[in-house]
Amino acid sequence: ETGVTQSPTHLIKTRGQQVTLRCSSQSGHNTVSWYQQALGQGPQFIFQYYREEENGRGNFPPRFSGLQFPNYSSELNVNALELDDSALYLCASSPATGLAGGLFGDTQYFGPGTRLTVL
Amino acid sequence: AQKVTQAQTEISVVEKEDVTLDCVYETRDTTYYLFWYKQPPSGELVFLIRRNSFDEQNEISGRYSWNFQKSTSSFNFTITASQVVDSAVYFCALSEGIYGNNRLAFGKGNQVVVIP
Repeated sequence: ETGVTQSPTHLIKTRGQQVTLRCSSQSGHNTVSWYQQALGQGPQFIFQYYREEENGRGNFPPRFSGLQFPNYSSELNVNALELDDSALYLCASSPATGLAGGLFGDTQYFGPGTRLTVL
Repeated sequence: AQKVTQAQTEISVVEKEDVTLDCVYETRDTTYYLFWYKQPPSGELVFLIRRNSFDEQNEISGRYSWNFQKSTSSFNFTITASQVVDSAVYFCALSEGIYGNNRLAFGKGNQVVVIP
């Protein structure tokens, strides 16, 4: 086990609703990344938080937003849910050691995911 | 354009056979990192290996081995003497420095089915 936890495990929402997913990072990790994994696909990067600031965003609309708290846990919020938002949402934490002079390259450790179904 | 290509979507092998998963990546960075993750049916991604672009040494860990070749932009993964517990989806991923963050670009994955 990685020590990264996510809640809830499963969630069913209807189109147009809003949802909040939660992630607790592994002890000592100050960077949290969120990914969306549609069925049969690889995970897609949504955004990353480092020291409570958004530090990079993938190709997702503004209705996907997030927060990171002082204890490095994080939330992913999705507004105005669409059917295509149905997916496994994965959270990953990493220690941000700056292996290559920046934040990239650190190993990301993933949580078990939240399965979101939008009806 | 797909940054990471894993061409074989599903691979079935009989237990104890070897299986090799191909990963081809694309980047303009000179410094980058490559990863392999395993995703069993439970859904959690399990880290297997990290390799930086300056280290082309092949690596072996138990029944797992990795072959990194910068000349062909490939980072292939071999499972020797496969076991039923190896049945999972395996993802190759790339982390590039140009973004200034630790985003991973994943391939579409290889579904490995080990038949007893």
